[in-house]
Amino acid sequence: GAVVSQHPSRVICKSGTSVKIECRSLDFQATTMFWYRQFPKQSLMLMATSNEGSKATYEQGVEKDKFLINHASLTLSTLTVTSAHPEDSSFYICSVRRGKLNSPLHFGNGTRLTVT
Amino acid sequence: AQTVTQSQPEMSVQEAETVTLSCTYDTSESNYYLFWYKQPPSRQMILVIRQEAYKQQNATENRFSVNFQKAAKSFSLKISDSQLGDTAMYFCASSPGANNLFFGTGTRLTVIP
Repeated sequence: GAVVSQHPSRVICKSGTSVKIECRSLDFQATTMFWYRQFPKQSLMLMATSNEGSKATYEQGVEKDKFLINHASLTLSTLTVTSAHPEDSSFYICSVRRGKLNSPLHFGNGTRLTVT
Repeated sequence: AQTVTQSQPEMSVQEAETVTLSCTYDTSESNYYLFWYKQPPSRQMILVIRQEAYKQQNATENRFSVNFQKAAKSFSLKISDSQLGDTAMYFCASSPGANNLFFGTGTRLTVIP
């Protein structure tokens, strides 16, 4: 069964508005979750590492104030795209590592964001 | 820096035949893991196979196997008896001891009936 649940699967919003994406680990506690972004026909790029109870770690070039990450519990991390612009339109995927370091990542089904 | 290179943007294979997808990587880590993920049209990322760098034996999962050449930093995926459901994007990824994965640019595989 699914290990990670991501919601919503699709969202369309207007420029200037904010969008929240949720990522839940379904049957285990995850102290760390990862947020990836995937442009059409391109690979997954790590945006940030979400740490339960502390600040997220952002990759170089990712704007912290634009992509707000909150990991308030051991089963939920949220990514909020603030003041969205059309160039933020992309496919966002969360993932969770279940188990020891270097155990495989389990991915959510992704969220397709379209900013009009 | 970690880099993963997949030099084949697209490949096709006849159903029931065998196909090999190439992947090379670069890492300065002594211990790391390598993965192949599959992304079908649904966009769900699915783990296909993983290889621990300190293990010399090539990993195998049913019809999927890898050819891991550590000295050459090569990690190819062989799919035997290809099935229509194998049609997908395939991403090679490395996990160099840190938490995250570094992905290659992917190979789009089409299985032809």
